[in-house]
Amino acid sequence: AQSVAQPEDQVNVAEGNPLTVKCTYSVSGNPYLFWYVQYPNRGLQFLLKYITGDNLVKGSYGFEAEFNKSQTSFHLKKPSALVSDSALYFCAVRDMRRDNDMRFGAGTRLTVKP
Amino acid sequence: DGGITQSPKYLFRKEGQNVTLSCEQNLNHDAMYWYRQDPGQGLRLIYYSQIVNDFQKGDIAEGYSVSREKKESFPLTVTSAQKNPTAFYLCASSTFPTVNQETQYFGPGTRLLVL
Repeated sequence: AQSVAQPEDQVNVAEGNPLTVKCTYSVSGNPYLFWYVQYPNRGLQFLLKYITGDNLVKGSYGFEAEFNKSQTSFHLKKPSALVSDSALYFCAVRDMRRDNDMRFGAGTRLTVKP
Repeated sequence: DGGITQSPKYLFRKEGQNVTLSCEQNLNHDAMYWYRQDPGQGLRLIYYSQIVNDFQKGDIAEGYSVSREKKESFPLTVTSAQKNPTAFYLCASSTFPTVNQETQYFGPGTRLLVL
C-alpha cells in the first residue's frame, strides 16, 4: 500500500526567507501527489498536485513543488515566506492503479516569524 | 471551503449516544469521503461513496455508519460502538475518480467532543 512521510513535525522560517516542507512517498505504481494546507479549525485547502509532465508544479499562493522520482520526494517550496503562510501542511499520495485510496502524511506545522 | 458545508461546527456526544454529522455539497461531485483527523496522525479514511446508494469502508470504519441517498448529501453517524470518537471530522468530495487524479475538496470540518 502507498504511504507518505513528512519527516518534520515543525518548520520555522523567518519572513522573506525561502521555505521548504519535505515529503517522501512510497507507491508500487506511478504516484499522484498532492499538497493541502489547513488553517486552525478549518478544512483542508488544495494547493497543488502532480499528475504527470513537468516535475516542477506551481500552485496557489506562490507555492510550488518539485517531483523527484529517484528520491521519491515531493517537497513543497516557496521563495519568500509570509507570516500568513503559517499553517499545517499535508502531503498526500495516490497510487494510480488503486481506486479511492489517498494516503495523507501526518502534517508539518509551518511557522513564519516576522 | 468552496461548495461543501458541514454541520454542526461543534458537536457534543454523551456516553452511549449516536450522533450524526452532516455533509452537503453543491459541486455536482459524484464521490464523497469522510476522514477523521487526530493530532499528529494526519487524516484517516472512514468511508467513501462513489455514487448514490453505494459506499465503501475505509481504514477505520468500525463504529461509524453512512448513507448516500442523494448525490449532494453524505451524512456520517458516530455510533455508541465508537469508543474514542473525540476528533475533528472532515468531509470531502471529488468528481468521479476514474483515473485517481481528481482533487478532493474539503468542508470546514466538525469537531466532536465527548461529555
